[in-house]
Amino acid sequence: DAGVIQSPRHEVTEMGQEVTLRCKPISGHNSLFWYRQTMMRGLELLIYFNNNVPIDDSGMPEDRFSAKMPNASFSTLKIQPSEPRDSAVYFCASSLGFGGTEAFFGQGTRLTVV
Amino acid sequence: GENVEQHPSTLSVQEGDSAVIKCTYSDSASNYFPWYKQELGKGPQLIIDIRSNVGEKKDQRIAVTLNKTAKHFSLHITETQPEDSAVYFCAAEKAGNMLTFGGGTRLMVKP
Repeated sequence: DAGVIQSPRHEVTEMGQEVTLRCKPISGHNSLFWYRQTMMRGLELLIYFNNNVPIDDSGMPEDRFSAKMPNASFSTLKIQPSEPRDSAVYFCASSLGFGGTEAFFGQGTRLTVV
Repeated sequence: GENVEQHPSTLSVQEGDSAVIKCTYSDSASNYFPWYKQELGKGPQLIIDIRSNVGEKKDQRIAVTLNKTAKHFSLHITETQPEDSAVYFCAAEKAGNMLTFGGGTRLMVKP
């Protein structure tokens, strides 16, 4: 398996623009997570899905952020409108099962909002 | 919610020496404690984990210990090598599959 695949790897956008980050989890995994990594706040869980259903989105910073998982092999994280403080590395991870199992991370998307 | 504190934030050791990274957690219901290694430009990767029914686990040069009473756990790397240089994260999870990560430790192994 190719692992968790994220696209794009890098994204530079202007403030106010819509940004969509994409993730393809490992085939067969039924849990998917979106994390944000910054120097100031470290690794923060934004939202996670189990069997394509959002279970906890309490980490989503504000209404500008939304995430979807239309099927077991694809998820998106959207920021609309984007702001400079959204600049970070966004990771998607997937795991098999629910609890106590290894989370496999993608390579991340480095987002820069200017 | 869960809070995980990790120390030190940076650690520099000589090749061949041991490195120890310590974490504390706040929620006594947490029962799964993985450690991740993140190399530059990559996502975190699991290197070892321990569950609450075990006090210690070892995998070659890496070992983890867990003290449930004190709510702390540690990562021990022996005979460090330059390729061990990376950022290490501890994490704690309770039922519900939500990992809370520590702030990370940047380990530098000097040849």
